[in-house]
Amino acid sequence: ETGVTQSPTHLIKTRGQQVTLRCSSQSGHNTVSWYQQALGQGPQFIFQYYREEENGRGNFPPRFSGLQFPNYSSELNVNALELDDSALYLCASSSPDREASPLHFGNGTRLTVT
Amino acid sequence: AQKVTQAQTEISVVEKEDVTLDCVYETRDTTYYLFWYKQPPSGELVFLIRRNSFDEQNEISGRYSWNFQKSTSSFNFTITASQVVDSAVYFCALILPGGYQKVTFGTGTKLQVIP
Repeated sequence: ETGVTQSPTHLIKTRGQQVTLRCSSQSGHNTVSWYQQALGQGPQFIFQYYREEENGRGNFPPRFSGLQFPNYSSELNVNALELDDSALYLCASSSPDREASPLHFGNGTRLTVT
Repeated sequence: AQKVTQAQTEISVVEKEDVTLDCVYETRDTTYYLFWYKQPPSGELVFLIRRNSFDEQNEISGRYSWNFQKSTSSFNFTITASQVVDSAVYFCALILPGGYQKVTFGTGTKLQVIP
């Protein structure tokens, strides 16, 4: 069983630039969600995708957008990067077979905006 | 709105000591789920336990045990005979059923087990 994989591991960008983060979900999982974790904080929900549609969003501006592909992999795009976007971005997949099924997380992408 | 509070920011214990990590949650819903996750330095959040609001039975898994008390809205986590490998940040989390799975995490407790 393949777990959740994220790429890249680390990324450094300049304020104003755009970034794309990638995630492959765990085998058999068709739901993917993204979280932002600032240093010393708990993860904050960005949005969730189910069957290629966004079906839930947290308190993040529209410059945070995403995609889910037919193979259930996903991308997180952030436009017009700001210094406060520096964080660990975590992708999680889950199976809809069970209500509130546990999220399976990847190792994350650490984004630094300078 | 939901809220999860982990008042202990950092805890240090000597190996083989027992340690309890506190978690207090707030929600107006009667049906909800509580989780504990472990985040080692590698960054990946590792699922430890899931508990629904209708199941107040305490659970033990090896050196880990969980005490769920609805009366005090708490879901505390105890590690018995701690080991260095237990050093990590531990997160308590809450999720409401239905719709998308927006998980509300606490701010985490960093546990350091000293050899």
